[in-house]
Amino acid sequence: QKEVEQNSGPLSVPEGAIASLNCTYSDRVSQSFFWYRQYSGKSPELIMSIYSNGDKEDGRFTAQLNKASQYVSLLIRDSQPSDSATYLCGYYGQNFVFGPGTRLSVLP
Amino acid sequence: DAGVTQSPTHLIKTRGQQVTLRCSPISGHKSVSWYQQVLGQGPQFIFQYYEKEERGRGNFPDRFSARQFPNYSSELNVNALLLGDSALYLCASSLQETSSYNEQFFGPGTRLTVL
Repeated sequence: QKEVEQNSGPLSVPEGAIASLNCTYSDRVSQSFFWYRQYSGKSPELIMSIYSNGDKEDGRFTAQLNKASQYVSLLIRDSQPSDSATYLCGYYGQNFVFGPGTRLSVLP
Repeated sequence: DAGVTQSPTHLIKTRGQQVTLRCSPISGHKSVSWYQQVLGQGPQFIFQYYEKEERGRGNFPDRFSARQFPNYSSELNVNALLLGDSALYLCASSLQETSSYNEQFFGPGTRLTVL
């Protein structure tokens, strides 16, 4: 089993819709989880970190964590074409571990 | 404040050569980590340094080495380059030793092409 699994996409949503990105992980000891956005040819930029079960909201972004199900998700409300990018899910176990990323395409 | 900086931006080498990549962390950050990102994959952890000491190492061969200097900047060295070493090499800094609850911020990366 891979340490972090994400649907590679592409996930296509119309402008203004909610984009839902999902991630599952195998390390039950993990305490902290992170979402990064990476535009093509650029480096990852941190969107949000989440450490406790439940929801964490920051502007148009909401991260959801369920440690019992080993599942973390990212919701993007009112999606904009500028949100089109690859979204990387990661966690800190013994070291940082990243998933392969989900490519999101927001259609005007 | 300046973010994480890396040099060079791009690099082209031939098989068997050696390369040195450089990274300066965000001012005040003491931890630097290195990652390799192959096209279509997420970043793979190579090394973590904190206070000039290696604190973590990923599953990479001994051809990969790194060090951290007293000013917290860091170098990643790769010897005997292989075609498969072609990738984007990312440096990330964090305020303290990388651990849970400690966010990392990435530099722009160095694109290495091995011919």
